[in-house]
Amino acid sequence: QSILTQPLSVSGTPGQRVTISCSGGSSNIGSFTVTWYQQFPGTAPKLLIFADDQRPAGVPDRFSGSRSGTSASLAISGLQSEDEADYFCATWEDAQNAHVLFGGGTKLTVL
Amino acid sequence: QAQLRQSGPSLVKPSQTLSLACDISGESVSTMTGAWHWVRQSPSRGLEWLGRTFYRAKWYADYADSVRGRVIIKADTSKNEFSLHLNAVTPEDTAVYYCAKGGVYDAATKSFVGHAYDIWGQGTRVTVSS
Repeated sequence: QSILTQPLSVSGTPGQRVTISCSGGSSNIGSFTVTWYQQFPGTAPKLLIFADDQRPAGVPDRFSGSRSGTSASLAISGLQSEDEADYFCATWEDAQNAHVLFGGGTKLTVL
Repeated sequence: QAQLRQSGPSLVKPSQTLSLACDISGESVSTMTGAWHWVRQSPSRGLEWLGRTFYRAKWYADYADSVRGRVIIKADTSKNEFSLHLNAVTPEDTAVYYCAKGGVYDAATKSFVGHAYDIWGQGTRVTVSS
């Protein structure tokens, strides 16, 4: 069970807006920025959002991120069929030995 | 942009050492603005950070508690690559292993985000079995 909690699955129809939450604690999300990754089956994760709300070049502005307190969210607007994938949040954990934490992942289904 | 290419065995026997290499092209392993990480993924454990190595006038390495004492991550500057060595493996170490580069520049804060991996290796599916 991951320390960063994400819903197992979310779904939406094309054109809709969906959000994926990532809940943590004061020593991780409460203290450090959040990164989001998108992963398709059989491929490596792809960087989607970093520093809470920054998009790397090439990532559509339909994807946005935010962080408040000990939680973060990824929002996808104008949902498209090709957005169907797994999404993971990540951040630093500063309790005891500093290390990278990943969320358990959320499967997005486009109906 | 840098690229990472992984190499290593797909099958390792229990109690043996799992060794994977990650060849870097387009960037120096000795960069002062990034770090080189290993991450694994399995159905039972999800994505799991294993550790990293980085150079800041000297070499450093950090490891996850889950593998500390069994793992070494080190760089080879002559080959411009870094490697993962995980000993005393068990079937629980069966996973897809990824190398990744951490350290994306955030212009808003003029700093590098260490846990943002913008470059990944292709992944190596490793099975621990006799």
